[in-house]
Amino acid sequence: NAGVTQTPKFQVLKTGQSMTLQCAQDMNHNSMYWYRQDPGMGLRLIYYSASEGTTDKGEVPNGYNVSRLNKREFSLRLESAAPSQTSVYFCASSEADRAGNTEAFFGQGTRLTVV
Amino acid sequence: GQQLNQSPQSMFIQEGEDVSMNCTSSSIFNTWLWYKQDPGEGPVLLIALYKAGELTSNGRLTAQFGITRKDSFLNISASIPSDVGIYFCAGHPMYNNNDMRFGAGTRLTVKP
Repeated sequence: NAGVTQTPKFQVLKTGQSMTLQCAQDMNHNSMYWYRQDPGMGLRLIYYSASEGTTDKGEVPNGYNVSRLNKREFSLRLESAAPSQTSVYFCASSEADRAGNTEAFFGQGTRLTVV
Repeated sequence: GQQLNQSPQSMFIQEGEDVSMNCTSSSIFNTWLWYKQDPGEGPVLLIALYKAGELTSNGRLTAQFGITRKDSFLNISASIPSDVGIYFCAGHPMYNNNDMRFGAGTRLTVKP
């Protein structure tokens, strides 16, 4: 019963370095999301993917790229990290049932610090 | 954008008291969701609302989907220390059910 698994849990980067945050879900969900959480600002949507092969920008996509590698995996890439990208990143997945009801399940987060 | 305005930002209450928080938006939402986040964890769904006017309970929690589809509230009755955490409203905008936006959160502190 893994649900949504994110790696790594913690990461420190120097300004200008690149890295990829990994996310995998084992619930066969079509939709996956990447959020960042900053104090006092809640969760802000970076990118989402409604299904394998599709991705769309959310509220704050600048400085990020994503890849929906397959139905299970949705990765977030920082090509050139900046201190403003210091945050906690959450991946989530969801699926609508026949009635259109949805529930999103979240990973435990990746705490990223850019120095 | 489809911003959700959540209030209050924080609450300090005595154990046993009731709590109320709400969320509003300038846009129509198809779904309203209420999540709780404990320190170091991801948000966990408490209540989901899918129809305008819907009133749903989950134990001591009650939430309503506003008639205009632009607001929702969450009530917690007889608070206990383990209710401490950050509560978020979230929703799927009418124009895109694959998008999901969050409010800024209400930080709840319960004094024993």
